[in-house]
Amino acid sequence: GAVVSQHPSRVICKSGTSVKIECRSLDFQATTMFWYRQFPKQSLMLMATSNEGSKATYEQGVEKDKFLINHASLTLSTLTVTSAHPEDSSFYICSGTRGDTQYFGPGTRLTVL
Amino acid sequence: DQQVKQNSPSLSVQEGRISILNCDYTNSMFDYFLWYKKYPAEGPTFLISISSIKDKNEDGRFTVFLNKSAKHLSLHIVPSQPGDSAVYFCAASDGGGTSYGKLTFGQGTILTVHP
Repeated sequence: GAVVSQHPSRVICKSGTSVKIECRSLDFQATTMFWYRQFPKQSLMLMATSNEGSKATYEQGVEKDKFLINHASLTLSTLTVTSAHPEDSSFYICSGTRGDTQYFGPGTRLTVL
Repeated sequence: DQQVKQNSPSLSVQEGRISILNCDYTNSMFDYFLWYKKYPAEGPTFLISISSIKDKNEDGRFTVFLNKSAKHLSLHIVPSQPGDSAVYFCAASDGGGTSYGKLTFGQGTILTVHP
C-alpha cells in the first residue's frame, strides 16, 4: 500500500500556543488529503478536506480559523492548531487517496496542558 | 446522526474460527465501502474495500459482503489469528465509486482472537 507519514508523532504544548502537524505522502502524489480527529474510545471524525493549491473545505462545526490547513504541494499538507486549549487534545490523523483507497498516516497525539 | 454504525463494540473469537464483523449504514448515497484495522495510537491500515456494484470481494483471509437492500456490510476473517486482534472500522464514501469522497467511519469493533 501507499505510505503516508506524519510529523511529529507526539507533541505536548502549553495552552495558548500553536502546533503544526505535517502530513506527507511518501510514494505517491495526493491532490487531496483529509484530516481526521479521534477522541478516546470514539470514531474518526473528518475535520477537513485539504486540496492542493486551494482552500481547505471544513466540516460543520470545525473552526477554520483555529485549524489552519495548508496544502502547498502534492505531497505535503499541514495542519496548524492555533491557540491550542486542553479540549484540543486528541489524536490527529491525515490521509491521502491513491487509486480507489485512502491511506492513513500513523497519527499525531496532541496533548495541551 | 450516525450514518455508519457498528453495533458490536467488541467481539471475541477462538483462533482458527471465523470472525464476522458487521456494519450498517443509513445514507443511500454511499457507494464505496472500506474496512480498516487500527491499533491504539496508530493510523488505520486499509484491509479491503467493495464498490456498491458488487456484493462480495475477497482478499486472502478477508471477505467483505455487501447487502445494498439491507444497507449492511460484513467483514469475514477466516481463519482468525491472534495477530488479527485490533479495532476494526468500517467506512463509507459517496465519492462516485471510489474513496475520493470523504469517509464516514463507524464506531469500531474491538476484535480479540484467543490462541
